[in-house]
Parts: sequence; C-alpha cells; structure tokens
Amino acid sequence: GDSVTQMEGPVTLSEEAFLTINCTYTATGYPSLFWYVQYPGEGLQLLLKATKADDKGSNKGFEATYRKETTSFHLEKGSVQVSDSAVYFCALSRGNTGKLIFGQGTTLQVKP
Amino acid sequence: GAGVSQSPSNKVTEKGKDVELRCDPISGHTALYWYRQRLGQGLEFLIYFQGNSAPDKSGLPSDRFSAERTGESVSTLTIQRTQQEDSAVYLCASSLRTASNNEQFFGPGTRLTVL
Repeated sequence: GDSVTQMEGPVTLSEEAFLTINCTYTATGYPSLFWYVQYPGEGLQLLLKATKADDKGSNKGFEATYRKETTSFHLEKGSVQVSDSAVYFCALSRGNTGKLIFGQGTTLQVKP
Repeated sequence: GAGVSQSPSNKVTEKGKDVELRCDPISGHTALYWYRQRLGQGLEFLIYFQGNSAPDKSGLPSDRFSAERTGESVSTLTIQRTQQEDSAVYLCASSLRTASNNEQFFGPGTRLTVL
C-alpha cells in the first residue's frame, strides 16, 4: 500500500543554518504531496504542496520539489529561525477521497 | 472565520468505558476526515465523509470504532469499550474538496487517555 517515510528526528540546528528534511514515498499512480507543520501548542497546518512531478511547493522560505524519479519530496530552507521549531509531517494523497497518508513526523529544534 | 473545532480537548476515561468525540467542521466544507495520532507517530487515517455519500471507513482499526455525520455538519467519533491502546490524539479535518481546492484544515484535536 501507499506509504511515506521521513527522516527521523529530532533535528537540532543553529539559527541561520540550512535545513533539509528527507521524505520519500511509495504509491501507485501520481499522488499529491504535502508538508504539514505543527507548531508547539497549535494545530496541524499545511505548509506547502505539489500536485505533479517537477512541481515546486514553497511557503515561508520553505521549498520542496516533487521528484517522481526518486519518489522524494524533501523539505528545504536556506536559513532557519528559532520560530521554525516545530514538528514537520510529509504526506501524500491519492485517489478520490483525498485522505492523507502521513510520515511519522520530524521534530526540528532551532537554537539561537 | 471560525476554524475546525473539536470537543472535548482532553478526555480521560477508564478502560472499558465508551467515549464520544465531537468535530465541528468549517461551514460549507463538504468533506470531513478523522485521523488518529499516537505518541511519537504520524497521523493514521480513520474515516472520511463526503456530503451524503457512503463514508470511507477503511481506516477504522476495529468494530469498536464508529463515526457519524449528519449532512455537512457535526461529526461524532465513538469508541466503545475503550482499551489502553486507544490512547492518542484524535484529529478532525475538513475540506471544500473541489477539483481546485482540497486543502484539509485541521482542528486542535482531542487528547484521549485510557487508564
């Protein structure tokens, strides 16, 4: 069945460091891909998405490119801030229900 | 406007008791989803409602779990004879579910603890 695998955390970085959180997926057909973020004490919210191969999703300085050849959707940010500390979830959606299949989440901690 | 709301925010119950969790979706959103998030794990899909169509129950882990939704309004998730492994955060999401917009908006969740 469909699945999402993302790098285990926690990831600890200093402010202004470069961030990469790896995400790979297994799915038949052409899923849509998402990154969701859960800030401390807040609900899950959509960070960015891509709906077809080679699309790049971007938001708040974060980017991820839908790579069908490597079945990946890695999240990157050039310069992280303390306020980016959160749990990041990679997810895919396929089929006519739109239900999301999530990775296990990666905790990011950014230190000043 | 108001987002997705869920109640209660926290629920502690004893093993074997039944619990009912409530979700109020964003007004006008035709699609509603329930997910479960166990400690340290990703979210697991439980059930999906779309308008008046038959729900997709493929994610419900056992027959102790059931959910209802009347039209495009409130949904309730019921867990009968709760077990300790049911302890988790239960999240509800709603979506417009159109061809151009299927973003899911999540509620704050209900944290269920089964003692």
